[in-house]
Amino acid sequence: GAVVSQHPSRVICKSGTSVKIECRSLDFQATTMFWYRQFPKQSLMLMATSNEGSKATYEQGVEKDKFLINHASLTLSTLTVTSAHPEDSSFYICSARDRRGGSDTQYFGPGTRLTVL
Amino acid sequence: GNSVTQMEGPVTLSEEAFLTINCTYTATGYPSLFWYVQYPGEGLQLLLKATKADDKGSNKGFEATYRKETTSFHLEKGSVQVSDSAVYFCARGSSNTGKLIFGQGTTLQVKP
Repeated sequence: GAVVSQHPSRVICKSGTSVKIECRSLDFQATTMFWYRQFPKQSLMLMATSNEGSKATYEQGVEKDKFLINHASLTLSTLTVTSAHPEDSSFYICSARDRRGGSDTQYFGPGTRLTVL
Repeated sequence: GNSVTQMEGPVTLSEEAFLTINCTYTATGYPSLFWYVQYPGEGLQLLLKATKADDKGSNKGFEATYRKETTSFHLEKGSVQVSDSAVYFCARGSSNTGKLIFGQGTTLQVKP
């Protein structure tokens, strides 16, 4: 199997504070992870591609200074929402790219619900 | 362009009914195709996938066949259960970047 975890599952913070979300691939190594944002009753919006050992690649319109991504190891990527504001409240989901055995499949974490007061 | 289009929801069915959720894609070449399922408040789970034309992906009674002639990957299940109620996402992959392009999602409600 391929299991991806996220921590925390829920976080509530005050406006202006920073929040870090962790994404881990538990049983495989992932040189590439992805961060998505999902609004209620909508599809997933890709925010950025997290590359182990190099800088993240951000999608158009996503502020890289606002959403800091670090991919420090082959099993961990972190997303830090800096100086969070209520409009950053959302469901954040990560995925890890599994390329074992010639396959190429993304496995998703359970998501993190961020609420900024 | 590169896109994925799913049928609009919500789809409401009675238990044991036949399910079809349509999905078509546009792409250059032959991308891998996926169906993911999302239960309320959770992340996405891979349901099935197909990597080349005429491949059939199957899992938990769900099936989808990669049809290059019609650029489609429709999801089917012969007899749905209440526990199948969820949002279903069709997606196509990019072999270069690994990125997924998702359809808008289709909500399935199965009533007892």
